[in-house]
Parts: sequence; structure tokens; C-alpha cells
Amino acid sequence: DIQMTQSPSSLSASVGDTVTITCRASQSINVYLNWFQQKPGEAPKLLMNAASSLRGGVPSRFSGSGSGTDFTLTITSLQSEDFATYYCQQSHDIPLTFGQGTKVEVK
Amino acid sequence: EVQLVEFGGGLVQPGGSLRLSCAASGFTFSSYGMSWVRQVPGKGLAWVAYISDSASTIYYADSVKGRFTISRDNAKNSLYLQMNSLRAEDTAVYFCARPDCRGAKCYTPEHWGQGTLVTVSS
Repeated sequence: DIQMTQSPSSLSASVGDTVTITCRASQSINVYLNWFQQKPGEAPKLLMNAASSLRGGVPSRFSGSGSGTDFTLTITSLQSEDFATYYCQQSHDIPLTFGQGTKVEVK
Repeated sequence: EVQLVEFGGGLVQPGGSLRLSCAASGFTFSSYGMSWVRQVPGKGLAWVAYISDSASTIYYADSVKGRFTISRDNAKNSLYLQMNSLRAEDTAVYFCARPDCRGAKCYTPEHWGQGTLVTVSS
């Protein structure tokens, strides 16, 4: 199975900050990397697929990069609605696997 | 609008069985593979199972293989998860999810239901 490792597991930030979350795959997954946002009590929301392709309706302050094994999710000018938990997930191989999550909290 | 509604969760004793259902609407259900994903309350996400549009291809996570069965009824726009020999570690919110594309190797869950809680406890 492909292991997905996110860092950090949590971070504290303020509105207006730029936040970067990293995700590393245990083997190359090309660009089969997706990012999800989840708020308490809600289902996950797909933000981005193919490492950097923003889904419709997702603000442009979200961006992604990477290929192979190393990926990043960047949120520029953090907004109040962005405080949530973020997960990376690989869709290169079955079983689909998720990172452990990164909780973005208010500083 | 794509809608997925799960039901069938509840409290069950260890070793027991439960059948989850997911009612789909707002899209051509028979054209999409579907997945179940679970989440232990307060913890991360874990993929459980996938079934292709025609049910010809099915995959399971090792943790549920041999105990869970994913199925679908395209005439009823419904997805199912039969869970047998349940264990305490199966306690989780179970989400059904539709991928972001149709066809083979389309797995990325884009549309999710609200989830249904399964609690395995004596």
C-alpha cells in the first residue's frame, strides 16, 4: 500500500497568513494526488485533484504543486472559513490512501 | 445537483451485522463507480471499498476484506455495504462517495453523502 504522510499534523495561523501543508507518498504517484478540506460535522470537500487542478468554486487562494512523491498545498491570505482539517489522498493505486490530516487552527 | 444520502447506521454488538444504503440522485448513477469511505470520530479518513459502474470490478481495503460486501442496484440508484462480523474498530461514520469522473480508474471521491454512524459495542 502507498503510505501518505502529511506535515505538520496541526498548525496555528491568523487570518491573512500564508499556510503550507506538505504531503509525501511512500512511492511515486505521478500527479495522482488530491486535497480535501473537512470542517467539523461535515463531509470532506474535494479542493483539488491531479496535484494542482482546482475544483470548480474553490477560491484561487488555494494552490497545489508537486509530482512523484512530494506535494504541497498552499493557502495564501488565509480566510476565517479556511480553518479546517486538510487531507491529501492518492488515487494512483488501490487501496486509496489518505494522509493523517493537518488541522489549521486559529492562532 | 448530485445528492447522496446514507442510512442504515446504528448500534450493533460485536460479531453482528448491518447493511448500509446510499440513495443517489441528480446524476446518472449507472455511469459512475462508487466508494465507501469511513472515519472514526475525531480521526482521519479511510477508504473501505469501491464498485465500478456495472459492478464488474470491486475492491476492498484489507481491513474489511471477507467481512464487508459492496453492491449496487442501478435500477434503484442505490449503493449498499453489507457489514458482517463487525468489530469495535469498525465503529465510524460511513460515507458513500462518487468520483470526479466516469470510467475505469476514476476513484477520486468528489461528491460525498453526509455519512451514517455505525457503533459496534456491547
